[in-house]
Amino acid sequence: DIQMTQSPSVLSASVGDRVTLNCKASQNINKYLNWYQQKLGEAPKLLIYNTNNLQTGIPSRFSGSGSGTDFTLTISSLQPEDFATYFCFQHNSWPLTFGSGTKLEIK
Amino acid sequence: EVQLVESGGGLVQPGRSLKLSCAASGFTFSDYNMAWVRQAPKKGLEWVATIIYDGSRTYYRDSVKGRFTISRDNAKSTLYLQMDSLRSEDTATYYCARQPTGPDYWGQGVMVTVSS
Repeated sequence: DIQMTQSPSVLSASVGDRVTLNCKASQNINKYLNWYQQKLGEAPKLLIYNTNNLQTGIPSRFSGSGSGTDFTLTISSLQPEDFATYFCFQHNSWPLTFGSGTKLEIK
Repeated sequence: EVQLVESGGGLVQPGRSLKLSCAASGFTFSDYNMAWVRQAPKKGLEWVATIIYDGSRTYYRDSVKGRFTISRDNAKSTLYLQMDSLRSEDTATYYCARQPTGPDYWGQGVMVTVSS
């Protein structure tokens, strides 16, 4: 199975900050990496699909990059509504796997 | 508007069965692969199973193979998850999700608690 490792597990930041979240796959997953945001008590929301494609309706302050095994999600200027947990997800091969998440907290 | 509404959750004893349903609307259900994803209390997300758009193929995580069955009725735009021989570690919120390139739209989730 492909293991997805996210870092850091917790990130403290302030409104207006630029932040980068990391996701590393245990083997090559090509471009097949998605990012999800989840707020407490809610279903996950797709932000980015296939590494760098912004899902419809998602603000342009979110962007994704990477290839192969190393991927990043960048939020260019944090807004109050962005404080949540973020998960990466690989759909290159079965079984599909999620990372363990990065919790983005207010500093 | 895409809507996915799960039902069928609840409290069940270990070893018993439960069947989840997911009613889809707002898109052509028969065009899309569909998936179940779960989340144990205060834990991360875990993919459970996927069914191809026409029902021709299914995929499962190892821990549920032989116990869970994903199926669909395209005429009713409904996805199912039959869960047999339930274990305490199956306790989670189960989400139904549309899965073109990984899950895009998700339901609100339904809680399944396996406990005696």
